[in-house]
Amino acid sequence: TQLLEQSPQFLSIQEGENLTVYCNSSSVFSSLQWYRQEPGEGPVLLVTVVTGGEVKKLKRLTFQFGDARKDSSLHITAAQPGDTGLYLCAGAWSGGSNYKLTFGKGTLLTVNP
Amino acid sequence: SAVISQKPSRDICQRGTSLTIQCQVDSQVTMMFWYRQQPGQSLTLIATANQGSEATYESGFVIDKFPISRPNLTFSTLTVSNMSPEDSSIYLCSVGSGNEQYFGPGTRLTVT
Repeated sequence: TQLLEQSPQFLSIQEGENLTVYCNSSSVFSSLQWYRQEPGEGPVLLVTVVTGGEVKKLKRLTFQFGDARKDSSLHITAAQPGDTGLYLCAGAWSGGSNYKLTFGKGTLLTVNP
Repeated sequence: SAVISQKPSRDICQRGTSLTIQCQVDSQVTMMFWYRQQPGQSLTLIATANQGSEATYESGFVIDKFPISRPNLTFSTLTVSNMSPEDSSIYLCSVGSGNEQYFGPGTRLTVT
């Protein structure tokens, strides 16, 4: 079983602060995705990273894929209340079917105004 | 990306009964996936549904408990059979591949 460990599990910060969420595994992934899920909604895809060492930016969000493709991080600069939600990382295992995703347990982020 | 709708959005059911959840996509897709998200937990893949063939179930999930239909390339149903309180979860369908998956809004099921 390929596991993705996310940390921290919960994070409560003030508006304007920076934060980083981590996603780690002992397995190599062919790609890794980050999703955000709000209450009552399904997860929404934020980004996909596929190349070791890759860095992608989406406005105030920066995503990095580890060189060995076993880990990833999500950094949010100057967090806003609208960033509140459950952040999930998910990976497609390089040794398995290319369509199956393994999800981490998620980081529940609360940004207080 | 695809637009995905699910029905019902939520339901409260009595134990021992069954509920069928519908998933409709606005475009033709090869693969559709059904996930379960238990309270406070992450997503667990139940099965993969391809049109014209039987669904492929993940370890711990069986067809008798979660029968799936995939009559065409835009529609699928998941039935939760003989429900117990442990089946209380959000059920999500998704489409796509390993690189990108798009999710429906989910069906919140409560079993009493």
